[in-house]
Amino acid sequence: EAGVAQSPRYKIIEKRQSVAFWCNPISGHATLYWYQQILGQGPKLLIQFQNNGVVDDSQLPKDRFSAERLKGVDSTLKIQPAKLEDSAVYLCASSRGQGDPYEQYFGPGTRLTVT
Amino acid sequence: AQSVAQPEDQVNVAEGNPLTVKCTYSVSGNPYLFWYVQYPNRGLQFLLKYITGDNLVKGSYGFEAEFNKSQTSFHLKKPSALVSDSALYFCAVRALTGGGNKLTFGTGTQLKVEL
Repeated sequence: EAGVAQSPRYKIIEKRQSVAFWCNPISGHATLYWYQQILGQGPKLLIQFQNNGVVDDSQLPKDRFSAERLKGVDSTLKIQPAKLEDSAVYLCASSRGQGDPYEQYFGPGTRLTVT
Repeated sequence: AQSVAQPEDQVNVAEGNPLTVKCTYSVSGNPYLFWYVQYPNRGLQFLLKYITGDNLVKGSYGFEAEFNKSQTSFHLKKPSALVSDSALYFCAVRALTGGGNKLTFGTGTQLKVEL
């Protein structure tokens, strides 16, 4: 089966600009996650979707970050305006569901550099 | 709140020798525990998970992990290391109760296997 797809792989922007990332999960996976991985740290969950509904966005900086999964399949994560501290790898993951401890499958990530 | 500690930033081992990557956790109630591996410029790959039952869990690529409830640990092990095992390893925990399948990751341990 095809894995989790993400684009772009790399993005360089200046602070105060906006940027968007795209994710297509594994077919049939109901749950989609966006993580932020800062260099030297483990991934931190930003937002979790179950189909097209938000399950957890408690760590999403909502003043500048937004995410949507309108049709319950692919998803976009947007940052507007970007800050220097947003430089990180943004990982998308998907799993079959959320009730059981299904393992999460990760995409290759988008490396964002804010200058 | 749940948390994971990986006390070693880096572990060095000679090829053919056994390896151990340490992980301790803190969570309310019984935990689900995971190990993931990350190769350069790639997303995280699932290695193994503990849910319940046998304290010794076997996973991909010859890795195994031992759950120790009294010590709140979930150390990753392999009897004979390979150079190709060199990568960044993350331990993660999820609380058994509560929804969302939210994982909390440790900061990662860089494994270096040398000839």
